[in-house]
Amino acid sequence: AQKVTQAQTEISVVEKEDVTLDCVYETRDTTYYLFWYKQPPSGELVFLIRRNSFDEQNEISGRYSWNFQKSTSSFNFTITASQVVDSAVYFCALNTNSGNTPLVFGKGTRLSVIA
Amino acid sequence: ETGVTQSPTHLIKTRGQQVTLRCSSQSGHNTVSWYQQALGQGPQFIFQYYREEENGRGNFPPRFSGLQFPNYSSELNVNALELDDSALYLCASSFPGLDYNEQFFGPGTRLTVL
Repeated sequence: AQKVTQAQTEISVVEKEDVTLDCVYETRDTTYYLFWYKQPPSGELVFLIRRNSFDEQNEISGRYSWNFQKSTSSFNFTITASQVVDSAVYFCALNTNSGNTPLVFGKGTRLSVIA
Repeated sequence: ETGVTQSPTHLIKTRGQQVTLRCSSQSGHNTVSWYQQALGQGPQFIFQYYREEENGRGNFPPRFSGLQFPNYSSELNVNALELDDSALYLCASSFPGLDYNEQFFGPGTRLTVL
């Protein structure tokens, strides 16, 4: 069975602070995919990143960066210099088999960025 | 290329009633997955349809059923509504290819059961 754990339920930071959202996953498959999604109050899931299990390179996209470590089964997400517009619920998710299997989501972390 | 659309946006029903939610896939996508997102939780997989056939189901009772049409649009039907069915229902479309099958999510339908 697959499982995604986001231990942080809610995080509150002041604007311009850096913040890291944690994600720990469990799977017995050797090929799998990890994701981060953003869900603003409107409810739509906004895709942020996909990573496959064979690519452990960290990635940076603007103020966003991701740290994938297979040794600890973690895929953490850092927002640098946070902004109020970053306030949302963030979900980490996992699936396998070239994406033809359902996504397994964590419970999400609600990030509030205060001006 | 149009994205995934869902209707209605919001819906209020009472216990025991039946509801139908609709999803239009992204152009060219023949696979649709439905997810239920209860308040404060992550989305949970309900079922998937591929070429009009159910192709996998999560831990949901039979009163949750679906259809996929020849144009690959889809419906989620829930019978005998319960209060716990109140949730955001998301559909996602994809197209199995040689590489990864990206799932594209719609905006969701928020169902309230009173």
